[in-house]
Amino acid sequence: RKEVEQDPGPFNVPEGATVAFNCTYSNSASQSFFWYRQDCRKEPKLLMSVYSSGNEDGRFTAQLNRASQYISLLIRDSKLSDSATYLCVAKGSTLGRLYFGRGTQLTVWP
Amino acid sequence: DAGITQSPRHKVTETGTPVTLRCHQTENHRYMYWYRQDPGHGLRLIHYSYGVKDTDKGEVSDGYSVSRSKTEDFLLTLESATSSQTSVYFCATGTDSNQPQHFGDGTRLSIL
Repeated sequence: RKEVEQDPGPFNVPEGATVAFNCTYSNSASQSFFWYRQDCRKEPKLLMSVYSSGNEDGRFTAQLNRASQYISLLIRDSKLSDSATYLCVAKGSTLGRLYFGRGTQLTVWP
Repeated sequence: DAGITQSPRHKVTETGTPVTLRCHQTENHRYMYWYRQDPGHGLRLIHYSYGVKDTDKGEVSDGYSVSRSKTEDFLLTLESATSSQTSVYFCATGTDSNQPQHFGDGTRLSIL
């Protein structure tokens, strides 16, 4: 079983839509979680960290549910520029290791 | 990002040849990582380093070796390249194990 599982999508939504991605993690001891964004043929870039109480950054909201071991990312008022692959990441039990999901592809159309 | 430079950015070579990829960072980060990314597999960790001369294997380490003789440089070597090692290789660095990693621009490697 992979450490982090994500629905690969693709998600195709119109501009202005709200879209949500979920991922699950297998290590109940994981303490740190992140969402990354990766544009086509580019490197992954940190979008936001995920905190236990949930956190928001503009149109993006991240939530953590420890009981069910899942993380979510909500994007409100989608923009064309949000089209990318979103990677869910959890810290592993091994020092220094982060585990990446395979990514969820989002396309926002006009 | 985070002062990470990968070289070369693109390389085409033949099966059986040795290949070395270099990752150079200017941020004095303790942790450095090499990943490969292939369609359908996402990012997979090859090797990582938690200090000078301290390295460990990731999930796809067969056919790869690494060296870290200085904090700023992390080298990935394919001793005898195979076509299955055609991929995009990303280097990443981190300050400690609970913090996010930052990635270099990637190296596109084709083994013919």
